[in-house]
Amino acid sequence: AQSVTQPDIHITVSEGASLELRCNYSYGATPYLFWYVQSPGQGLQLLLKYFSGDTLVQGIKGFEAEFKRSQSSFNLRKPSVHWSDAAEYFCAVGEGRTGGFKTIFGAGTRLFVKA
Amino acid sequence: SQTIHQWPATLVQPVGSPLSLECTVEGTSNPNLYWYRQAAGRGLQLLFYSVGIGQISSEVPQNLSASRPQDRQFILSSKKLLLSDSGFYLCAWSVSRTTNNEQFFGPGTRLTVL
Repeated sequence: AQSVTQPDIHITVSEGASLELRCNYSYGATPYLFWYVQSPGQGLQLLLKYFSGDTLVQGIKGFEAEFKRSQSSFNLRKPSVHWSDAAEYFCAVGEGRTGGFKTIFGAGTRLFVKA
Repeated sequence: SQTIHQWPATLVQPVGSPLSLECTVEGTSNPNLYWYRQAAGRGLQLLFYSVGIGQISSEVPQNLSASRPQDRQFILSSKKLLLSDSGFYLCAWSVSRTTNNEQFFGPGTRLTVL
């Protein structure tokens, strides 16, 4: 069965510092991988996605993620965090097949940004 | 462009009362539709999904039900709310019959059961 693990419940970084949020997945085939961001009291917004090709994926708001098949990981990174990045981040894995539609979400990592 | 609406935005209901949350999607046809619940400090739990009108799949046994009376309308209901039904309910849609599982989320409904 598919699963997604985000080992960090919350992370605190200083504004301007670099960020890496960890994500590990379990999936038998080539996964479709996503990172979503959720601001307090809001819905989720897609940051980036990986389906195939280049394993380093660029997203919105200066985020990037790298797919590492050997480690079953899809970590999210940003070189310099802004205060507005404080939010909850969800890694997700989707069924990589035609007609597949179910997505499994991790438990989320809450990011706190200190001045 | 596509948009997804949820209402109400917030709701406070007594235990034992009925529930109806509505989700509508604009700008697309035959979407896959989803209801998620997000309890405080926890991730997203998929409650129901639908691949077409009248087609509902339940992911977890619970006090809730879902219906899809129209192509772009998805309703979450309960006959009698429990305290444990409190949470943040998110509706989402995705394009059907493709390999793209990207989901687009609504703004959510905050439900408090007292």
